[in-house]
Amino acid sequence: DGGITQSPKYLFRKEGQNVTLSCEQNLNHDAMYWYRQDPGQGLRLIYYSQIVNDFQKGDIAEGYSVSREKKESFPLTVTSAQKNPTAFYLCASRTRGYTEAFFGQGTRLTVV
Amino acid sequence: GENVEQHPSTLSVQEGDSAVIKCTYSDSASNYFPWYKQELGKRPQLIIDIRSNVGEKKDQRIAVTLNKTAKHFSLHITETQPEDSAVYFCAASIGGGGGSNYKLTFGKGTLLTVNP
Repeated sequence: DGGITQSPKYLFRKEGQNVTLSCEQNLNHDAMYWYRQDPGQGLRLIYYSQIVNDFQKGDIAEGYSVSREKKESFPLTVTSAQKNPTAFYLCASRTRGYTEAFFGQGTRLTVV
Repeated sequence: GENVEQHPSTLSVQEGDSAVIKCTYSDSASNYFPWYKQELGKRPQLIIDIRSNVGEKKDQRIAVTLNKTAKHFSLHITETQPEDSAVYFCAASIGGGGGSNYKLTFGKGTLLTVNP
């Protein structure tokens, strides 16, 4: 089954802990993205990557980090520096050109 | 960087009426404008897109128009049905060619409610 997969679906974190969200795609897409979705805030871009071993900050990168060691994978780490990490996180991927972005099913992170 | 403004934030229409959602963008280099629909509890999915060399595109009951000079684009849904109820997002990107950077910026979304 081809597509983009995020795991886990739900994640709970204690304050002060780092946590990593997984995003894997088997669509052979070049570009991958992480968005944060809060009520009334739309989809805010955290980081994106156009190619392996390269990534750029989005609009709300503070307190987050990413890596792109493989084309298929783009994990997001929410660090303890992120002051308000409770949110719904969406990963997406797309190929070059004027193309559709495909989204994962999302991870809901809750700080407890 | 690119900034995409979307209005209105909520829109309620009667079944059969038309709905219009408007977006503006700031980066004149943007040349690809997709629209996504997100139903409750589901992931966003592309419903229609338009490139900057086209002024209008239609697909059955939905259409998108683009005004490059004014840097705004709009989604039009005709003959709305209850199943059109969802959150709609516009987005802007630089697609294709050597200048592409693939950054995909979204608006804040419009919650459309179609009342039976």
